[in-house]
Amino acid sequence: QVQLQQSGAELVKPGSSVKISCKASGYTFTSYDMHWIKQQPGNGLEWIGWIYPGNGNTKYNQKFNGKATLTADKSSSTAYMQLSSLTSEDSAVYFCARGWFAYWGQGTLVTVSS
Amino acid sequence: DIQMTQSPSSLSASLGDRVTITCRASQDIGNYLTWFQQKPGKSPRRMIYGATNLEDGVPSRFSGSRSGSDYSLTISSLESEDVADYHCLQSIQYPLTFGSGTKLEIK
Repeated sequence: QVQLQQSGAELVKPGSSVKISCKASGYTFTSYDMHWIKQQPGNGLEWIGWIYPGNGNTKYNQKFNGKATLTADKSSSTAYMQLSSLTSEDSAVYFCARGWFAYWGQGTLVTVSS
Repeated sequence: DIQMTQSPSSLSASLGDRVTITCRASQDIGNYLTWFQQKPGKSPRRMIYGATNLEDGVPSRFSGSRSGSDYSLTISSLESEDVADYHCLQSIQYPLTFGSGTKLEIK
């Protein structure tokens, strides 16, 4: 069965970067986009972008240009999202979701605090 | 960007009630509309895709419909397990955009 296993919660300092992972199993990793979505506490969902692991193509929400960088490692079937220059506004739960959003990871909580 | 105006933001209904949540799109999105259910502390679950198609395993009391630029998620007879947040998503144009969400509670 399709599974997306995300890395654990992160507590990071303002101004730093963090890289979270999403390990896929149960399907051909290179055949589907991987989306990333942000959810701040008590807020709705916000689409960050996607990566197509087959060729590394990416598409970003302009709002996250310079903030998020999406990569994928075909050898380990793992997608990554790096968030840079972190501020309190980046504190949120981040989800990965396979193309067409039928399958989601469990979410990774990122807390930015000094 | 396409704005998805979701209403109501919260809803309290009785068990057995018929419940409808609506998203209005600011531009034509065809049937590129997905509904998600999200329970506290959990990931969203896809319920309806293509505006009207029920995801496998989703109870038949859930349905999706479209009238012009208004998209609706209807629960025909509310059950306690339906307490959750509900979100809509348009996927016809980048950036993909979600509605602001609806919190559904039992009265």
